[in-house]
Amino acid sequence: NAGVMQNPRHLVRRRGQEARLRCSPMKGHSHVYWYRQLPEEGLKFMVYLQKENIIDESGMPKERFSAEFPKEGPSILRIQQVVRGDSAAYFCASSPQGAATEAFFGQGTRLTVV
Amino acid sequence: TQLLEQSPQFLSIQEGENLTVYCNSSSVFSSLQWYRQEPGEGPVLLVTVVTGGEVKKLKRLTFQFGDARKDSSLHITAAQPGDTGLYLCAGALSGSARQLTFGSGTQLTVLP
Repeated sequence: NAGVMQNPRHLVRRRGQEARLRCSPMKGHSHVYWYRQLPEEGLKFMVYLQKENIIDESGMPKERFSAEFPKEGPSILRIQQVVRGDSAAYFCASSPQGAATEAFFGQGTRLTVV
Repeated sequence: TQLLEQSPQFLSIQEGENLTVYCNSSSVFSSLQWYRQEPGEGPVLLVTVVTGGEVKKLKRLTFQFGDARKDSSLHITAAQPGDTGLYLCAGALSGSARQLTFGSGTQLTVLP
């Protein structure tokens, strides 16, 4: 029973490049949440998606960031034209229903922008 | 400003000592959760408290939810080096179960 799988675990990008972070939810889970953790801080909500739908993107920066959860395949968090301030750990969580309190977290992707 | 304030931010104690970590807010939460996060890993859920005044015990860990559902505490008895980690409280605001609001965490180090 695999947990939430995120890849890559570590990602290095130069300023201006694109970063793509992938998240495969637990089997049977159709709800995905993305959080960002800056150094020495707690996690900050970014976006909540169901299959093919963005339900709540209130925590997502208005520019350069996008997320999708297609009918088939993993959820993708895309960051275009990365800047140094995007360096952080990005965590995905999934739940069987739309309750964030029942979500399980993946191991995260550590993004470093150089 | 943090919606959930955790204190202390850092705590270093000797093995065998007791400790309490606090999580406070001016907002009411429908539920509150405590997580533990190891370096390089994602948060792992320890407990969820839902009812005001609720107390839950998990071996040497005791969790309490405030009567007004605005605050919580985590008490560890006879801490062990294996308890070392980042402890995070997180809450679902009343009427918003779709996202969790996290505190900034308490980094606990238990020295042998």
